[in-house]
Formats: sequence, structure tokens, C-alpha cells
Amino acid sequence: KAGVTQTPRYLIKTRGQQVTLSCSPISGHRSVSWYQQTPGQGLQFLFEYFSETQRNKGNFPGRFSGRQFSNSRSEMNVSTLELGDSALYLCASSSGTSGKNIQYFGAGTRLSVL
Amino acid sequence: GENVEQHPSTLSVQEGDSAVIKCTYSDSASNYFPWYKQELGKGPQLIIDIRSNVGEKKDQRIAVTLNKTAKHFSLHITETQPEDSAVYFCAANPRAGAGSYQLTFGKGTKLSVIP
Repeated sequence: KAGVTQTPRYLIKTRGQQVTLSCSPISGHRSVSWYQQTPGQGLQFLFEYFSETQRNKGNFPGRFSGRQFSNSRSEMNVSTLELGDSALYLCASSSGTSGKNIQYFGAGTRLSVL
Repeated sequence: GENVEQHPSTLSVQEGDSAVIKCTYSDSASNYFPWYKQELGKGPQLIIDIRSNVGEKKDQRIAVTLNKTAKHFSLHITETQPEDSAVYFCAANPRAGAGSYQLTFGKGTKLSVIP
């Protein structure tokens, strides 16, 4: 069974630009969560999507948004990039069934904002 | 919201010795506690988890204990090997039973196993 796939693996952008990251969950998984990992703040929850609906949201500004498609693939968008958005963005997928909360992570997308 | 504290931030052990990493959480509603291992250039990998209705769980050389009263949980690795060297994260989910997948993570422990 293929794992969680994130593309691209690396991105370099400049301040003010916008970026879209993609995540393909494990086959059959319906929940996709996004996390930001930085050396200073560690791993922080951004949002979670289930059946194309945002189900949970962390404490990030509105510049961070996402969506999920009918095939459970998810995209995350960051608009008006700031230097502080440089981070490893991780996607995690789960079956989405209550009681089975195990999340499997992808390798992440490393975003550098110059 | 939930807050998870993790100690120590770095840990060096001799190969074959045991390693213990401790975490505390603040939200008494948390009921799911996974541990992840992250190697350089990779995403976190689940190594073991425990739910609030269980006090201890073991999987070969890895064990996790949970003390709900004290809001503590710990990771124990016995007979450490060089390949155990990585960053380990604890996490808590305060609404796991309601279908929430929002994990709050500790800051991580960098474990180095010296051959």
C-alpha cells in the first residue's frame, strides 16, 4: 500500500507570492490533516479535512487555507508569503473513522521564503 | 487548549542502555497519546500509541506508560541500537473520541545512541 505522498518536496518562493502544496493520502483514507514544523515552534496543527469539509482548524491566519477533493487528495495554499512561513509542511492521513485516530505522515514539503 | 511538555530535549545513551522520554499534558479530556520518530529528511513515523483506558503498552523494545491522574506519559526504549537515533515526539489528542485528528505535539527529544 502506498504511503502519503506530498509534492513538491522542495519549494523556494519570495515574499508576497503565494504557494500551493499537494497531498495524496493513503488509499481509502478520508481524513487529511496539515501541520507546520519549524525549529522554534515545533509541530503545529493547521487544519483537517474530511469528506471535502474542513472539520478542525488551528490558530493560523487566514492566509493559510486548504481544500479537499472528492478523491480525498488535499491541497494547502498560503497567500502573501512571509519570511516566517519558511517551514516543513507535513500532511497526515487517517481513515477518518471515529475511534481509529492513527495518523500517517508524508515526508513533507520544505518551503523556503526569501 | 492542550499543552504538551516534553523532556529532555536531548538524550545521549550508550548502545544497549535504556532511554526514557517523558511528557506531560494539560487537558484532562485528552484520551489518545501517540509517539512519533522522525529521522532526518523524513516525516514523523508512528512507533507506538496508547489510549486513556490503558495504563501501559509494549511492542518489542518499546513501551509507553500513561498516568492519567498525574497527566504524564512516557516512552521507554530498551536495548537501544544506533538506528534508534532520531528525534522523538510525543503528542496528545483532546477530542479523539469525537473523531478529531488535531494532535498537539511536544517539542521533541533528540536521541543519540553511541556505539
